[in-house]
Amino acid sequence: AQKVTQAQTEISVVEKEDVTLDCVYETRDTTYYLFWYKQPPSGELVFLIRRNSFDEQNEISGRYSWNFQKSTSSFNFTITASQVVDSAVYFCALREETSGSRLTFGEGTQLTVNP
Amino acid sequence: DTGVSQDPRHKITKRGQNVTFRCDPISEHNRLYWYRQTLGQGPEFLTYFQNEAQLEKSRLLSDRFSAERPKGSFSTLEIQRTEQGDSAMYLCASSSPSTLNTEAFFGQGTRLTVV
Repeated sequence: AQKVTQAQTEISVVEKEDVTLDCVYETRDTTYYLFWYKQPPSGELVFLIRRNSFDEQNEISGRYSWNFQKSTSSFNFTITASQVVDSAVYFCALREETSGSRLTFGEGTQLTVNP
Repeated sequence: DTGVSQDPRHKITKRGQNVTFRCDPISEHNRLYWYRQTLGQGPEFLTYFQNEAQLEKSRLLSDRFSAERPKGSFSTLEIQRTEQGDSAMYLCASSSPSTLNTEAFFGQGTRLTVV
């Protein structure tokens, strides 16, 4: 069965620090999709990135970067030079090819960036 | 395109009452999902529609829960005889068929409190 683990419940950093959010997943499928979502206090889940299991290239988007490693079943998310506006709960999610369209989410990491 | 819209944003109800939530997906998105999120947890999948057909239901969706999407556009989620354990955020999401395994876009959710 699929499972996503975000071991860091809460992280607190000072503005301009770099921070990495960890995500470890479990799946028996060879084809799957990984996602990161951001949930600000307003409650809406904001899509950040999708990565396919057959594409292990890391990706950078502005201050955000993602490190996907199939060998360790990890899909970690790094924010460089964090800002107060980055404060939110971040969720990692998994969709398996064989489990239809459902997303399995981790429990989330609450990131607080202090000025 | 105004995104996924959910109504109401907040609902307080007495135990035993019935409640109904509405979700308007992004126009032309034929896939619609309902998730439930309790405090401090990640969202959990409830059910999935493709057009008007309900294709997948989680075992979390007890007999007291029913979801419909009669014309393949908006959807409703009804909870009958509410219990305190039903208190949660109910999230709706939609996705487009134009790209295989594309990301789901979420609404801001309906927060239900059962007293």
